[in-house]
Amino acid sequence: GESVGLHLPTLSVQEGDNSIINCAYSNSASDYFIWYKQESGKGPQFIIDIRSNMDKRQGQRVTVLLNKTVKHLSLQIAATQPGDSAVYFCAENIDGNKLVFGAGTILRVKS
Amino acid sequence: SQTIHQWPATLVQPVGSPLSLECTVEGTSNPNLYWYRQAAGRGLQLLFYSVGIGQISSEVPQNLSASRPQDRQFILSSKKLLLSDSGFYLCARDTDSGNTIYFGEGSWLTVV
Repeated sequence: GESVGLHLPTLSVQEGDNSIINCAYSNSASDYFIWYKQESGKGPQFIIDIRSNMDKRQGQRVTVLLNKTVKHLSLQIAATQPGDSAVYFCAENIDGNKLVFGAGTILRVKS
Repeated sequence: SQTIHQWPATLVQPVGSPLSLECTVEGTSNPNLYWYRQAAGRGLQLLFYSVGIGQISSEVPQNLSASRPQDRQFILSSKKLLLSDSGFYLCARDTDSGNTIYFGEGSWLTVV
């Protein structure tokens, strides 16, 4: 079945460095993708989204890149801060009503 | 506002006891509503979603059920809890555009 998975379960970065979190998806019909951040004990928070007709979208310190050829999604965080430590999930919208989530990547920021 | 209220925030229930988790949302009417479960250290599993009052779709066979008695109210229930029902339960609603969903703060359930 369709699934969304992450390449790296845990990522450790030094404070101030850039972080890149990767995600692979298998449903080529997916047309909308989202990144969420989940801090310990809290619900996931929306970070940024991208539609399949785009390759790149930028937010505040975050950039999402979409490569439809290889069905790959990435989240780039510039100048990573301790407050960025969390679990990051990618999700794809398959049929307009449901999101399928990846397993998650733990981002640890070292001071 | 996309505020989502979930309660209780945490609960510990014995095996075989019933369960009722409640979720109410603010914002535009007739939202799509969702219940997700997250086991410790794991990803998010969609349990139920609802596109309107009384309309429930179940994603996985399980010991749980859901109901939507009002437009902005979504309830997750069980008649008899199992140990495997332990987890973090998240209620969510979609946005006006329908593509993105926003989550509540979750309810931690421990079945003992």
